[in-house]
Amino acid sequence: AQRVTQPEKLLSVFKGAPVELKCNYSYSGSPELFWYVQYSRQRLQLLLRHISRESIKGFTADLNKGETSFHLKKPFAQEEDSAMYYCALSGTGVGNTGKLIFGQGTTLQVKP
Amino acid sequence: GAGVSQTPSNKVTEKGKYVELRCDPISGHTALYWYRQSLGQGPEFLIYFQGTGAADDSGLPNDRFFAVRPEGSVSTLKIQRTERGDSAVYLCASSLTPRGWGTEAFFGQGTRLTVV
Repeated sequence: AQRVTQPEKLLSVFKGAPVELKCNYSYSGSPELFWYVQYSRQRLQLLLRHISRESIKGFTADLNKGETSFHLKKPFAQEEDSAMYYCALSGTGVGNTGKLIFGQGTTLQVKP
Repeated sequence: GAGVSQTPSNKVTEKGKYVELRCDPISGHTALYWYRQSLGQGPEFLIYFQGTGAADDSGLPNDRFFAVRPEGSVSTLKIQRTERGDSAVYLCASSLTPRGWGTEAFFGQGTRLTVV
């Protein structure tokens, strides 16, 4: 079965603390993994994707195929990072439609 | 417009009525997706269009749901005989291509459908 699991509905940290949003997936094949973010009253937007291997707004995520995980990390949280974060996957290869399978989302709350 | 546009932003309808939700994708984007997001859940895939054709409608929950994209641009999601369980935010997304580079999906702001 294709599934994305985000075990935490809410993660609350203080400003300057490290953050790790967990994401595990189940997929038969080689998926592409994404993190999407939704700030308050804004639309869902792409934060980063594993094939880019880049850092966006200080966030990084490494695909661990052995543990089927794609955790999102940031060493020092900022108040403006407070948002809803969704982990998602898409299939790859011939016949892939690009549809996304999302996790349930984790609300990150960064307290001053 | 610069982004994906969805109308209306809010729709309240009575149980049993018919509704249409509109999506205007980014110009030039051939791939268009509809998702449904229920309260407290992540978005769930409904249907994918490549150009004018529905290439994957495996996410449509039942035959009350139907979507079209007649000219390969604007898409309309149609729900017949609405039920209270259809209440959700309906999201539309578009991307330049469905595979490979250029697959970043850009989302609209959603239509919040409430069936009373």
